[in-house]
Amino acid sequence: KAGVTQTPRYLIKTRGQQVTLSCSPISGHRSVSWYQQTPGQGLQFLFEYFSETQRNKGNFPGRFSGRQFSNSRSEMNVSTLELGDSALYLCASSLVARLTGANVLTFGAGSRLTVL
Amino acid sequence: AQSVTQPDIHITVSEGASLELRCNYSYGATPYLFWYVQSPGQGLQLLLKYFSGDTLVQGIKGFEAEFKRSQSSFNLRKPSVHWSDAAEYFCAVGGGSGTYKYIFGTGTRLKVLA
Repeated sequence: KAGVTQTPRYLIKTRGQQVTLSCSPISGHRSVSWYQQTPGQGLQFLFEYFSETQRNKGNFPGRFSGRQFSNSRSEMNVSTLELGDSALYLCASSLVARLTGANVLTFGAGSRLTVL
Repeated sequence: AQSVTQPDIHITVSEGASLELRCNYSYGATPYLFWYVQSPGQGLQLLLKYFSGDTLVQGIKGFEAEFKRSQSSFNLRKPSVHWSDAAEYFCAVGGGSGTYKYIFGTGTRLKVLA
């Protein structure tokens, strides 16, 4: 069973540009979450999508956006890049445990964004 | 406020020694608790999870964790560490029904001496 696939793995942008990151979830997983990981702030929740709807959003500015397609693939976009946006962006797909209702996240390898 | 605290930023142990990584949480509802491991340049891999029931849970790679409600803790243990265990370990809480956000601790970086 294929895991969570994120593309691209590495990218370099300059300030003011925008970037789009892609995530393909595990087959059958309908929930996709995005996290930002930085040395200073650790892992921070960006947003979560289910059936093409954003269900929850973290405390990030409007420059950060996302969407989910009918095949559950998701993209996130960051516009007007700032130096502080340099981070590892992790996507996770989720399967809700049948008995407990708990969401169990399976993470991709991440997209490493460097903003110069 | 909901939070997860991992008090040890770095831990160094010798290969073959036992390991305990600490995790304390603050969460209003019954917590769903997780431990993940991250190798350099990689994503996070689930080691184990606690939802309910037996408070001692077994995970992959020989890891176990014990949920102690009275201490709001979920410490990770391994009786004998291998060099390949060197990585960063994250404790997380959340993910319960209707709650789609995990709250992660700041991580503990484990170094293993040969």
